Amino acid sequence: AQSVTQLGSHVSVSEGALVLLRCNYSSSVPPYLFWYVQYPNQGLQLLLKYTTGATLVKGINGFEAEFKKSETSFHLTKPSAHMSDAAEYFCAVTNSNYQLIWGAGTKLIIKP
Amino acid sequence: DGGITQSPKYLFRKEGQNVTLSCEQNLNHDAMYWYRQDPGQGLRLIYYSQIVNDFQKGDIAEGYSVSREKKESFPLTVTSAQKNPTAFYLCASSRRTGSATEAFFGQGTRLTVV
Repeated sequence: AQSVTQLGSHVSVSEGALVLLRCNYSSSVPPYLFWYVQYPNQGLQLLLKYTTGATLVKGINGFEAEFKKSETSFHLTKPSAHMSDAAEYFCAVTNSNYQLIWGAGTKLIIKP
Repeated sequence: DGGITQSPKYLFRKEGQNVTLSCEQNLNHDAMYWYRQDPGQGLRLIYYSQIVNDFQKGDIAEGYSVSREKKESFPLTVTSAQKNPTAFYLCASSRRTGSATEAFFGQGTRLTVV
């Protein structure tokens, strides 16, 4: 069965520092992978997705993620954190029925 | 603007009462979903629908019911049988299942049982 593991329920970085949020998945079929962001008391918004093709995917707000099949990973990065990046981030993978399987989420805290 | 509208944003319910959460989309999406979100647990699927007049149970359907009489609408009823209904509920839609298209989300409804 497909599953998603996000390492770290909370990640804290200083403003201007590199952001790295980790996502590992298991999938018996070629995966489609997604990162979503959720601000407090709001719905989820798509940051980026990988379906096929280029393994480095660029998204909104300066985020990007790299699909590494050998490592079954899809880590999210941003070179320089901004206070407005403080939110919860969710990684998701589609299963064989194309249903989304969700990670537990990682809260990103930005220190001034 | 196209999107998904959930209402109300905040809802209070007395124990033993049923309550219905509204979800409307004007994206012309075939598939719609209801998720429940609790702190530290990610999103858990309650029900989903791929087409009008058809829906399937998700992972935590007990104590919930849905209908899909119109393509645009997918209301969720939280019944008195749901033992712990206080949570944040999210509605989503996508073009169709069976594809890699992403889901679009509403702003959520926070339900509190008092």
